[in-house]
Amino acid sequence: AQSVTQPDIHITVSEGASLELRCNYSYGATPYLFWYVQSPGQGLQLLLKYFSGDTLVQGIKGFEAEFKRSQSSFNLRKPSVHWSDAAEYFCAVGGTNAGKSTFGDGTTLTVKP
Amino acid sequence: GAGVSQSPSNKVTEKGKDVELRCDPISGHTALYWYRQSLGQGLEFLIYFQGNSAPDKSGLPSDRFSAERTGGSVSTLTIQRTQQEDSAVYLCASSAAGGPFDEQFFGPGTRLTVL
Repeated sequence: AQSVTQPDIHITVSEGASLELRCNYSYGATPYLFWYVQSPGQGLQLLLKYFSGDTLVQGIKGFEAEFKRSQSSFNLRKPSVHWSDAAEYFCAVGGTNAGKSTFGDGTTLTVKP
Repeated sequence: GAGVSQSPSNKVTEKGKDVELRCDPISGHTALYWYRQSLGQGLEFLIYFQGNSAPDKSGLPSDRFSAERTGGSVSTLTIQRTQQEDSAVYLCASSAAGGPFDEQFFGPGTRLTVL
């Protein structure tokens, strides 16, 4: 069975600081990996996704993520956080059936001025 | 174009009553998903429709939950005899073809509160 762990429930960073949100997955084959963001009062929006190719994936809003097979990780990063990045971030893993995407419990990001 | 819409945005009901939640996917999207998001939790998969295929109902938590999709477009999630543990945000998403790498576009959700 596939699973996703986001070890950090809540992270606080200062505006302008770098950010890394952790995601570990469990999946028997090559996974489809996604990061979504959920801003207050809004629906989930896809930030980036990975299946194959370059293990460093660029997404929207200046985010990137790196797939590390040996560590079963797909951590999300941003070099300089903006106040508007405050939101909840979800990592997800999917298989051959997209409907079976499994989401982590999310990490809430707070940005200090 | 228009995104995924859901109605109502909020629903308060009494324990034991039935509720219907509606989802209008993006026009032309063949795949439609329902998820449940409880407070402080991630998204829990409920059901998946893909074209004319039989839906994948493996995530429905009990037989009180059912969903249909009419004409390959609008979907309704029905919860019968609601319980307090059904209180959550119900999210609908659609994707163009339902492939494993297709982006899912999410609606704003329906917040259900069962008193």
